[in-house]
Amino acid sequence: QLQLQESGPGLVKPSETLSLSCIVSGDSISSSPYYWGWIRQPPGKGLEWIGSIYSTGSASYNPSLKSRVTIYVDMSKNQLSLNLNSVTAADTAVYYCVREGSTMIDSWGQGTLVTVSS
Amino acid sequence: DIQMTQSPSSLSASVGDRVTISCRASQSIRHYLNWYQQKPGKAPQVLIYAASSLQSGVPPRFSGSGSGTDFTLTISSLQPADFATYFCQQSYSSPYNFGQGTKLEI
Repeated sequence: QLQLQESGPGLVKPSETLSLSCIVSGDSISSSPYYWGWIRQPPGKGLEWIGSIYSTGSASYNPSLKSRVTIYVDMSKNQLSLNLNSVTAADTAVYYCVREGSTMIDSWGQGTLVTVSS
Repeated sequence: DIQMTQSPSSLSASVGDRVTISCRASQSIRHYLNWYQQKPGKAPQVLIYAASSLQSGVPPRFSGSGSGTDFTLTISSLQPADFATYFCQQSYSSPYNFGQGTKLEI
C-alpha cells in the first residue's frame, strides 16, 4: 500500500527557505511511471499546485512560484523534497506530498502545516 | 494558465437531496477534469477523474459529466458522509489549477 509521509519544520522565519521531505513507501520513485509533486493549502483556503517531478529529474513548476521553488528526488532514500526560498506569511499553508497519475492525483500524504512567522 | 471557476462557493442541502456542483474552465480542457472531496483536517481524495470516470471504491451516487469548458459533479442522494468541500482540477496543462472549492453544508 502506497504511503506518503511529509516531514519538516513547522515554523520558518520570513525571508528564509522552507524545506520539506516526503518519504515514499509502497512504490519506487525511480521505476514508477508516475509524477511526484507538492500541493499546498493556506488555512481555510483552496488548493494550489506547486509542481511535480518525474524519475528522470524532469520537473514542472507553477509559474507563480517558479522563481522560488525547487523539487528534487533522492532515489537512494525513495524521497521527494521541496525547497521554497524567500518565504513570506503568504506561504503559510498545509503542504501535501502527492503522486500524480496520467490524469489525476491518486495519492496524498497527510499534509504538514508550515507557518511563516518571526 | 487555465483558470477554474466553481459554483456555488457554498451550498446548503439535506440528506437525500440531489446536488449539482459546476466547474468552468477558462479554455477547453477536453475531458481532463477531476473532482476531489476534502473533509476537515484531511487530505483531498479523488472521486471522479477524466470528467466522468468513477474512482475505484467511490459510491455510485457520485457522477461527473461535461467536456470542453463546462463540467458538473452530481450527488444523486446526499448521505451524511458527503458533507465536505469539493474541488475540481484540470489536468490538461501545467499548472494543474484547482477551482476555489464548494463547501457542502447541512
